[in-house]
Amino acid sequence: EPEVTQTPSHQVTQMGQEVILRCVPISNHLYFYWYRQILGQKVEFLVSFYNNEISEKSEIFDDQFSVERPDGSNFTLKIRSTKLEDSAMYFCASSRQETQYFGPGTRLLVL
Amino acid sequence: DQQVKQNSPSLSVQEGRISILNCDYTNSMFDYFLWYKKYPAEGPTFLISISSIKDKNEDGRFTVFLNKSAKHLSLHIVPSQPGDSAVYFCAAKDVAGGTSYGKLTFGQGTILTVHP
Repeated sequence: EPEVTQTPSHQVTQMGQEVILRCVPISNHLYFYWYRQILGQKVEFLVSFYNNEISEKSEIFDDQFSVERPDGSNFTLKIRSTKLEDSAMYFCASSRQETQYFGPGTRLLVL
Repeated sequence: DQQVKQNSPSLSVQEGRISILNCDYTNSMFDYFLWYKKYPAEGPTFLISISSIKDKNEDGRFTVFLNKSAKHLSLHIVPSQPGDSAVYFCAAKDVAGGTSYGKLTFGQGTILTVHP
């Protein structure tokens, strides 16, 4: 069964450094998303992406964040200058219609 | 943001019995609801969904009920199995201009433990 994959599974970085989280959505899906879950909190929406542009973004998704689909398979989330509060699990998801399928997540730790 | 609430942080059930997980929402613009199961250090796994035009959807041991007037949905698992032990999240998608790709708003999750 097709699934969403994410790399790396864990990332440790220093505050102020740039990180790129990578995702390979399910191949025939058209809509792509990033969510995050801070430890002990809800899963929160960050951004949705369709037809090579951002469809919607939350207030969390400020100028430090960007997304890109550099080729036909990858979908990336870049954080330009990480802060301590960016430490979280980041989940990529994709969908063809309403149901979103999630990847296993990248655990980001900012020191 | 309390648009989707799961008021029970945990639920403990005996194997073979019914598990009922509940979810309430406040946003009347939600048009699609989903249940996800999550194990530690893994991503949410889709279980079952329901459109706002229905009041019930069934898939094997899992049934989701939607009561739009009460803004309440529930997930029934019958019979419960020890492998069902996980965190269960309810999520809702708003109509977002009639598109399929609206963001999901999640509840806090309910930890289900099924005892052998």
